[in-house]
Amino acid sequence: GQQVMQIPQYQHVQEGEDFTTYCNSSTTLSNIQWYKQRPGGHPVFLIQLVKSGEVKKQKRLTFQFGEAKKNSSLHITATQTTDVGTYFCAPTSGGSNYKLTFGKGTLLTVNP
Amino acid sequence: EADIYQTPRYLVIGTGKKITLECSQTMGHDKMYWYQQDPGMELHLIHYSYGVNSTEKGDLSSESTVSRIRTEHFPLTLESARPSHTSQYLCASRPGVNTEAFFGQGTRLTVV
Repeated sequence: GQQVMQIPQYQHVQEGEDFTTYCNSSTTLSNIQWYKQRPGGHPVFLIQLVKSGEVKKQKRLTFQFGEAKKNSSLHITATQTTDVGTYFCAPTSGGSNYKLTFGKGTLLTVNP
Repeated sequence: EADIYQTPRYLVIGTGKKITLECSQTMGHDKMYWYQQDPGMELHLIHYSYGVNSTEKGDLSSESTVSRIRTEHFPLTLESARPSHTSQYLCASRPGVNTEAFFGQGTRLTVV
């Protein structure tokens, strides 16, 4: 399967602090998606990045795709308790387009 | 809200029983997926399908089987349930590769 490392595995922050999760691949990716899963819920799509060096923003969330298309990050500015959940990256490489596999996820907890 | 449904939501069943977990979507999506996820853990792809009469095994070996006779329906069957099958099973669909995936609410299976 797709070789990707997602770090950190866990992150606990105080409300208002920033948070970043990284997804690192050993091979060049076609694109990468990000999903959020609330505790007890199911994964929900956040965004897809396709272009080298792409940066996309959704309110307090900033998504980046590296220039080499091997790395991606999700950054949350000034976390809120509603940001609690597990964030998964879902990378796609050219030879495995039909599959949809995920990184191990980063569990974010926020102390109010 | 996505039109993808899983039944039952919760199932407690005895060892050795045959079970079928249902997954249906009304969006006409070709690509469908089954994942196994323990609480707070990663999403393991166990089966996927890229259209009617196509099924493939995922990255995690599973004793379950799937079928795809109709576009909208992707049931998962366990011929003889065991306690090791206790987990949450999530179904997802998407219209094509490199598109957003939609997840069902999941089935929480407990085998006693």
